Amino acid sequence: GAVVSQHPSWVICKSGTSVKIECRSLDFQATTMFWYRQFPKQSLMLMATSNEGSKATYEQGVEKDKFLINHASLTLSTLTVTSAHPEDSSFYICRGSQGAMIYGYTFGSGTRLTVV
Amino acid sequence: QKEVEQNSGPLSVPEGAIASLNCTYSDRGSQSFFWYRQYSGKSPELIMSIYSNGDKEDGRFTAQLNKASQYVSLLIRDSQPSDSATYLCAVNKETSGSRLTFGEGTQLTVNP
Repeated sequence: GAVVSQHPSWVICKSGTSVKIECRSLDFQATTMFWYRQFPKQSLMLMATSNEGSKATYEQGVEKDKFLINHASLTLSTLTVTSAHPEDSSFYICRGSQGAMIYGYTFGSGTRLTVV
Repeated sequence: QKEVEQNSGPLSVPEGAIASLNCTYSDRGSQSFFWYRQYSGKSPELIMSIYSNGDKEDGRFTAQLNKASQYVSLLIRDSQPSDSATYLCAVNKETSGSRLTFGEGTQLTVNP
């Protein structure tokens, strides 16, 4: 149980374009979705927390206009990297949660974004 | 002081040995503790969770929790080369919903 499906697994895009990453909870209702970014050989960095039907809460230093998060349903949350630049190249991972740490353990498989 | 601290590593053990990974946390309100394994280029995979003081065993893995000392550890018995990965300690506080605070991770290498 508690499966989170993340797509795409990797994407290459040109600088200045936008990229959308999707995370779907397959067997539970993800009331909360956490979005992380991880640079090579570094730990996870929480970017934002989204609750279904509400605006996302962004961590300090994360540009909300650049990283658009939509969590319109209990099974789908999306992260759109707008006007991507090479420094946005990273590994993006989501984690869904239902309630207080019920089904909150599982990460999506991650998206490797490369901006050229 | 970081909220969650782990041995920086890297940790290297021979195949068949016991690997010991340690984690300390600063907030006494922490109530749930998790160990994730992350292979290079992959997302973290939950391997153990522990909520009460003492030991919890699952196959070759044993998690140990001591809330008085604010310490949680992971022991891997009969280490295998396939255990080579980065191990992340994560902590949850009741007041933070389902938010997890992660340590920096400890890189483990098991040598054949």
